[in-house]
Amino acid sequence: KAGVTQTPRYLIKTRGQQVTLSCSPISGHRSVSWYQQTPGQGLQFLFEYFSETQRNKGNFPGRFSGRQFSNSRSEMNVSTLELGDSALYLCASSLSGIPTSNSPLHFGNGTRLTVT
Amino acid sequence: KQEVTQIPAALSVPEGENLVLNCSFTDSAIYNLQWFRQDPGKGLTSLLLIQSSQREQTSGRLNASLDKSSGRSTLYIAASQPGDSATYLCAVMGLGSNTGKLIFGQGTTLQVKP
Repeated sequence: KAGVTQTPRYLIKTRGQQVTLSCSPISGHRSVSWYQQTPGQGLQFLFEYFSETQRNKGNFPGRFSGRQFSNSRSEMNVSTLELGDSALYLCASSLSGIPTSNSPLHFGNGTRLTVT
Repeated sequence: KQEVTQIPAALSVPEGENLVLNCSFTDSAIYNLQWFRQDPGKGLTSLLLIQSSQREQTSGRLNASLDKSSGRSTLYIAASQPGDSATYLCAVMGLGSNTGKLIFGQGTTLQVKP
Protein backbone atom coordinates (compact mmCIF):
# COMPACT_ATOMS: atom_id res chain seq x y z
CA LYS A 1 0.00 0.00 0.00
CA ALA A 2 1.60 3.27 -1.10
CA GLY A 3 2.10 5.94 1.52
CA VAL A 4 1.30 9.63 1.38
CA THR A 5 3.11 11.19 -1.56
CA GLN A 6 4.09 14.84 -1.66
CA THR A 7 5.50 16.56 -4.71
CA PRO A 8 7.82 18.18 -5.31
CA ARG A 9 10.29 17.32 -2.53
CA TYR A 10 12.19 20.59 -2.88
CA LEU A 11 11.28 24.01 -4.25
CA ILE A 12 13.18 27.24 -4.50
CA LYS A 13 11.14 30.35 -5.22
CA THR A 14 11.65 34.11 -5.18
CA ARG A 15 9.76 36.56 -3.01
CA GLY A 16 6.51 37.63 -4.62
CA GLN A 17 6.06 34.44 -6.63
CA GLN A 18 3.39 31.86 -5.97
CA VAL A 19 3.74 28.12 -5.44
CA THR A 20 1.53 25.03 -5.58
CA LEU A 21 2.28 21.91 -3.55
CA SER A 22 0.63 18.56 -4.14
CA CYS A 23 -0.36 15.73 -1.82
CA SER A 24 -1.68 12.30 -2.78
CA PRO A 25 -3.20 10.51 0.22
CA ILE A 26 -3.23 6.81 0.94
CA SER A 27 -5.83 5.07 -1.17
CA GLY A 28 -9.21 5.16 0.58
CA HIS A 29 -8.33 8.07 2.84
CA ARG A 30 -10.75 10.95 2.48
CA SER A 31 -9.18 13.45 4.87
CA VAL A 32 -6.08 15.46 4.05
CA SER A 33 -4.55 18.00 6.40
CA TRP A 34 -1.60 20.34 5.91
CA TYR A 35 1.02 21.55 8.38
CA GLN A 36 3.88 24.03 8.20
CA GLN A 37 7.07 23.19 10.08
CA THR A 38 9.71 25.82 10.87
CA PRO A 39 12.56 25.81 13.40
CA GLY A 40 11.06 28.78 15.25
CA GLN A 41 7.35 27.96 15.31
CA GLY A 42 7.45 24.18 15.08
CA LEU A 43 4.52 22.40 13.48
CA GLN A 44 1.48 24.54 12.82
CA PHE A 45 -1.87 23.46 11.38
CA LEU A 46 -2.83 25.05 8.06
CA PHE A 47 -6.09 23.38 7.03
CA GLU A 48 -7.98 20.11 6.74
CA TYR A 49 -10.11 18.84 3.87
CA PHE A 50 -12.62 16.02 3.83
CA SER A 51 -14.51 15.00 0.72
CA GLU A 52 -13.53 18.22 -1.09
CA THR A 53 -14.73 20.46 1.77
CA GLN A 54 -12.49 22.51 4.02
CA ARG A 55 -13.53 21.57 7.54
CA ASN A 56 -10.97 23.45 9.57
CA LYS A 57 -8.46 26.22 9.07
CA GLY A 58 -5.49 27.43 11.08
CA ASN A 59 -4.35 30.98 11.76
CA PHE A 60 -2.57 31.73 8.51
CA PRO A 61 -3.10 34.67 6.17
CA GLY A 62 -5.33 34.39 3.13
CA ARG A 63 -2.25 33.94 0.93
CA PHE A 64 -2.39 30.30 2.00
CA SER A 65 -5.14 28.35 0.34
CA GLY A 66 -5.92 24.80 -0.55
CA ARG A 67 -8.32 22.49 -2.24
CA GLN A 68 -9.17 18.84 -2.48
CA PHE A 69 -10.23 16.97 -5.58
CA SER A 70 -12.79 14.21 -5.98
CA ASN A 71 -10.03 11.59 -5.86
CA SER A 72 -8.96 13.01 -2.45
CA ARG A 73 -5.70 14.44 -3.80
CA SER A 74 -5.04 17.86 -2.37
CA GLU A 75 -3.09 20.94 -3.34
CA MET A 76 -2.07 23.93 -1.33
CA ASN A 77 -1.16 27.26 -2.83
CA VAL A 78 0.84 30.11 -1.38
CA SER A 79 0.67 33.41 -3.23
CA THR A 80 2.96 36.43 -2.94
CA LEU A 81 5.68 34.44 -1.21
CA GLU A 82 7.57 35.98 1.70
CA LEU A 83 10.93 34.95 3.15
CA GLY A 84 9.12 33.71 6.26
CA ASP A 85 7.21 31.15 4.20
CA SER A 86 10.39 29.07 3.94
CA ALA A 87 9.49 25.85 5.69
CA LEU A 88 8.82 22.15 5.42
CA TYR A 89 5.20 21.65 4.39
CA LEU A 90 3.75 18.35 5.50
CA CYS A 91 0.50 16.75 4.54
CA ALA A 92 -1.21 13.93 6.38
CA SER A 93 -4.07 11.66 5.45
CA SER A 94 -6.53 9.57 7.39
CA LEU A 95 -9.79 7.80 6.80
CA SER A 96 -12.00 10.32 8.57
CA GLY A 97 -9.80 13.12 9.88
CA ILE A 98 -10.08 11.75 13.42
CA PRO A 99 -7.30 9.21 13.89
CA THR A 100 -7.61 6.18 16.12
CA SER A 101 -5.12 3.57 17.29
CA ASN A 102 -6.27 1.29 14.49
CA SER A 103 -6.40 4.05 11.89
CA PRO A 104 -3.63 6.53 12.64
CA LEU A 105 -2.64 9.65 10.78
CA HIS A 106 -0.10 9.07 7.99
CA PHE A 107 2.30 11.83 7.05
CA GLY A 108 4.18 12.36 3.81
CA ASN A 109 7.87 13.30 3.76
CA GLY A 110 7.04 16.89 3.00
CA THR A 111 7.96 19.58 0.51
CA ARG A 112 10.90 21.76 1.51
CA LEU A 113 10.17 25.30 0.28
CA THR A 114 12.93 27.89 0.24
CA VAL A 115 12.03 31.49 -0.56
CA THR A 116 14.93 33.76 -1.58
CA LYS B 1 -5.97 28.57 23.53
CA GLN B 2 -4.35 25.15 23.71
CA GLU B 3 -0.60 25.12 24.28
CA VAL B 4 1.59 22.03 24.31
CA THR B 5 5.00 21.95 25.97
CA GLN B 6 7.63 19.24 25.82
CA ILE B 7 10.47 18.84 28.28
CA PRO B 8 13.37 18.38 27.83
CA ALA B 9 14.10 19.94 24.43
CA ALA B 10 17.05 17.59 23.95
CA LEU B 11 18.31 14.44 25.62
CA SER B 12 21.42 12.33 25.19
CA VAL B 13 21.64 8.91 26.82
CA PRO B 14 23.83 5.81 26.54
CA GLU B 15 22.39 2.76 24.84
CA GLY B 16 20.32 0.53 27.10
CA GLU B 17 18.94 3.25 29.36
CA ASN B 18 15.24 3.59 30.10
CA LEU B 19 14.00 7.13 29.57
CA VAL B 20 10.93 9.32 29.93
CA LEU B 21 9.82 12.17 27.69
CA ASN B 22 7.32 14.65 29.05
CA CYS B 23 4.45 16.52 27.43
CA SER B 24 2.05 18.96 29.05
CA PHE B 25 -1.02 20.72 27.68
CA THR B 26 -3.07 23.61 29.00
CA ASP B 27 -6.63 22.67 28.00
CA SER B 28 -7.94 19.31 29.19
CA ALA B 29 -10.78 19.32 26.62
CA ILE B 30 -9.00 16.97 24.26
CA TYR B 31 -10.20 14.22 21.95
CA ASN B 32 -6.92 12.35 21.96
CA LEU B 33 -3.17 12.73 22.41
CA GLN B 34 -0.62 11.30 20.04
CA TRP B 35 3.10 10.70 20.08
CA PHE B 36 5.05 10.90 16.83
CA ARG B 37 8.61 10.29 15.78
CA GLN B 38 10.39 12.41 13.16
CA ASP B 39 13.70 11.49 11.56
CA PRO B 40 15.78 14.29 9.99
CA GLY B 41 14.28 15.56 6.73
CA LYS B 42 11.37 13.17 6.95
CA GLY B 43 7.70 13.22 7.82
CA LEU B 44 6.15 12.07 11.07
CA THR B 45 5.49 8.49 12.06
CA SER B 46 2.66 7.82 14.50
CA LEU B 47 3.89 5.88 17.54
CA LEU B 48 1.02 5.80 20.01
CA LEU B 49 -2.42 7.36 20.25
CA ILE B 50 -4.31 7.66 23.55
CA GLN B 51 -8.01 8.48 23.49
CA SER B 52 -9.15 10.95 26.16
CA SER B 53 -10.94 8.14 28.02
CA GLN B 54 -7.79 5.99 28.19
CA ARG B 55 -4.89 6.13 30.64
CA GLU B 56 -2.13 4.46 28.65
CA GLN B 57 -1.11 2.68 25.48
CA THR B 58 1.77 0.31 24.84
CA SER B 59 3.61 -0.75 21.73
CA GLY B 60 6.73 -2.86 22.08
CA ARG B 61 9.31 -0.93 24.12
CA LEU B 62 7.12 2.18 24.16
CA ASN B 63 4.52 3.10 26.76
CA ALA B 64 2.55 6.33 26.76
CA SER B 65 0.41 7.52 29.65
CA LEU B 66 -2.19 10.26 29.84
CA ASP B 67 -3.42 12.20 32.87
CA LYS B 68 -6.02 14.48 31.36
CA SER B 69 -6.95 16.21 34.59
CA SER B 70 -3.40 17.40 35.19
CA GLY B 71 -2.70 18.01 31.51
CA ARG B 72 0.25 15.63 31.29
CA SER B 73 1.48 12.76 29.18
CA THR B 74 4.69 10.77 29.31
CA LEU B 75 6.37 8.57 26.75
CA TYR B 76 8.48 5.84 28.31
CA ILE B 77 11.13 4.17 26.15
CA ALA B 78 12.62 0.99 27.57
CA ALA B 79 16.11 -0.26 26.81
CA SER B 80 16.93 2.55 24.38
CA GLN B 81 18.82 1.77 21.14
CA PRO B 82 20.79 3.98 18.72
CA GLY B 83 17.94 3.51 16.22
CA ASP B 84 15.66 5.36 18.64
CA SER B 85 17.58 8.57 17.92
CA ALA B 86 15.04 11.01 16.47
CA THR B 87 12.80 13.91 17.44
CA TYR B 88 9.71 12.90 19.42
CA LEU B 89 6.63 15.08 19.17
CA CYS B 90 3.43 15.00 21.13
CA ALA B 91 0.23 16.49 19.78
CA VAL B 92 -3.30 16.94 21.07
CA MET B 93 -6.52 16.99 19.11
CA GLY B 94 -9.25 19.15 20.61
CA LEU B 95 -12.99 18.75 20.75
CA GLY B 96 -15.75 20.31 18.67
CA SER B 97 -14.46 22.80 16.13
CA ASN B 98 -10.89 21.83 17.01
CA THR B 99 -11.37 18.19 16.06
CA GLY B 100 -9.28 17.28 13.04
CA LYS B 101 -6.60 19.78 13.99
CA LEU B 102 -3.46 18.79 15.90
CA ILE B 103 -1.61 21.14 18.23
CA PHE B 104 2.02 20.07 18.52
CA GLY B 105 4.70 20.55 21.12
CA GLN B 106 8.16 21.68 20.04
CA GLY B 107 9.55 18.18 20.39
CA THR B 108 12.32 16.42 22.26
CA THR B 109 15.41 15.51 20.24
CA LEU B 110 16.80 12.23 21.51
CA GLN B 111 20.29 10.91 20.88
CA VAL B 112 21.13 7.39 21.98
CA LYS B 113 24.86 6.75 22.00
CA PRO B 114 26.24 3.26 21.28
